[in-house]
Parts: sequence; C-alpha cells; structure tokens
Amino acid sequence: GAVVSQHPSWVICKSGTSVKIECRSLDFQATTMFWYRQFPKQSLMLMATSNEGSKATYEQGVEKDKFLINHASLTLSTLTVTSAHPEDSSFYICSASVIVGRGYEKLFFGSGTQLSVL
Amino acid sequence: GDSVTQMEGPVTLSEEAFLTINCTYTATGYPSLFWYVQYPGEGLQLLLKATKADDKGSNKGFEATYRKETTSFHLEKGSVQVSDSAVYFCALRYNQGGKLIFGQGTELSVKP
Repeated sequence: GAVVSQHPSWVICKSGTSVKIECRSLDFQATTMFWYRQFPKQSLMLMATSNEGSKATYEQGVEKDKFLINHASLTLSTLTVTSAHPEDSSFYICSASVIVGRGYEKLFFGSGTQLSVL
Repeated sequence: GDSVTQMEGPVTLSEEAFLTINCTYTATGYPSLFWYVQYPGEGLQLLLKATKADDKGSNKGFEATYRKETTSFHLEKGSVQVSDSAVYFCALRYNQGGKLIFGQGTELSVKP
C-alpha cells in the first residue's frame, strides 16, 4: 500500500537552532500535504496545508515565519522549525493526499516526529 | 468552533475483552466522522468512517455509529486482540481536501 516516509522520527536540539522534518510519499504523487502537531494530552492540530509549487496556507495562530513549509515536488514536503524554543517541543505529523479513481481522496500519514528542544 | 473529545487513555484490557472508546463531537454543520488507528512506529491509518447520521462504519471487527442526537461516534469491538494495541484517534471532516479535526487520541493496550 501507499507509504509516507517521515523523518527523523525523533530529534533533540538546542534552543535557537533550526530543525528540518521531511515527509516523502514513496509510491505516489501527493497533490496536497498537511502538517499537524500534537502537544501532550491534546488533540492533533492542523498547522498548515500545502500544494506542490505554491505557498502553504497556515492555520490561525501558526507563525508562518517560524514554521517554514516547502513543497517543492509532488513527493516531498519539508517543515523547518526555525529558531526552535522549548515551547515548540511537540509531536509533528505529516499527511499526504492523493486523488484516486472517481475523484475519491485518500490520505496517508507519516509516523511522526517527536521534537524536543532543550 | 468544531471539536472532538475522546476518553482519556491509556485503556488496558485483557485479550478477548469488550472495547469501547468514547468519542463525542461539537459541530456547526454535518461532518463525516472517522476513526484512525496508529500502530507503534507507523503512520495513522483510516480504520472506519461514517458520512451521515445513523450510518455505521465497520472494519476489522471494529464498529462505530454516527449518533447525531448524542453527538457521539463511540468505537467498539467485541473481542480485542493483542494486535489491536495502538493509539486510536477520532476525527471529523466536512469535505475532501478539508481540514481533519482530531481528538487527542486514546492509547489501547491489550494484554495476553
């Protein structure tokens, strides 16, 4: 079945550094990629939606200059957390959307990245 | 705004026990409802869904019924297995391409 590869699966970094998370669709071309984050004991929250070759659309309250999303190809999207701080420590998950058959959408999720900022 | 609330985990059961994971939602319209499952080390996978009131979604022995009157979509399974150990997420969505609104996830641990 279709697979979305997300890495790294976990990362520890120092405050002030930038961290890049990659999300690849391995055997299909994703028309849209979604990025979510989940703080402990809270819901998985959508951060942004991106379509290949265009700027990402960010949800209210998500800083676009801090969470840079690049969707340069139909199989790769990256999320860069710039100047990370401890409050950015969270679980980040990507999701890739593909239209199959009669316009039916399927969603595939990465396994997530646990970011810890010291 | 729209939201989804799930029962807190972790839920620990013995093999062959009956499972219920509660999910309630708040919605301004008429969304579709979903259950996703995340096995250790893997991405979320769609487990089942229901698109309108009174619909029942089912898959792999799991069931959930879209109850508009109680705004609920509880997940049930009659006899759980160790291999069902995972995190389960309830979610709602209005249309394809739209935003999925998730609950916080419920971890299930099934002991032999």
